[in-house]
Amino acid sequence: DSGVTQTPKHLITATGQRVTLRCSPRSGDLSVYWYQQSLDQGLQFLIQYYNGEERAKGNILERFSAQQFPDLHSELNLSSLELGDSALYFCASSSWTGERSYGYTFGSGTRLTVV
Amino acid sequence: AQTVTQSQPEMSVQEAETVTLSCTYDTSESDYYLFWYKQPPSRQMILVIRQEAYKQQNATENRFSVNFQKAAKSFSLKISDSQLGDAAMYFCANWGAGSYQLTFGKGTKLSVIP
Repeated sequence: DSGVTQTPKHLITATGQRVTLRCSPRSGDLSVYWYQQSLDQGLQFLIQYYNGEERAKGNILERFSAQQFPDLHSELNLSSLELGDSALYFCASSSWTGERSYGYTFGSGTRLTVV
Repeated sequence: AQTVTQSQPEMSVQEAETVTLSCTYDTSESDYYLFWYKQPPSRQMILVIRQEAYKQQNATENRFSVNFQKAAKSFSLKISDSQLGDAAMYFCANWGAGSYQLTFGKGTKLSVIP
């Protein structure tokens, strides 16, 4: 158990629908990151939050949005889902976001299948 | 902008032998860190080893070591005495202090042959 909790582990939904993925960071970590892992694209950085504020944004689609709540858990909202959104979505957390990095701790991911 | 390139999509190694996985990177940052992550079939991302770019000494963690060539922007991972449990996808990653982003390569799938 890495300490980063993601729910649900699996999600199957239809095209056009909206889903919410949830992440609880490791205790004490203020930064949360979301990544998408597709078969042929490796891990793509989506977005980062630090202590409730958006800190960095990657290749996140406009149909996707995220937020980090006061208790530091984060949610990734995916709307108007397309077949190509099927992927493994990872959440990661870290205690630092500034001058140095000790690496991220990853959750076990949410497998999203859009049918 | 940061890029990470892993030119070996797949590799294999005999159990107990040594294997080296290649990684090259490009970054405009002066303060950056390099990582190798392991992703076994369980899909969990596990940090294997970390290297600060300002340190010349190569990082070592038990059977795992790196060869960091800063001028060449090369960061290879050596696995010694390979074990069956080392079979996994290995991802090289670069974190830049200015971008706050951990950028991954596309991975190398390592198979360990008994």
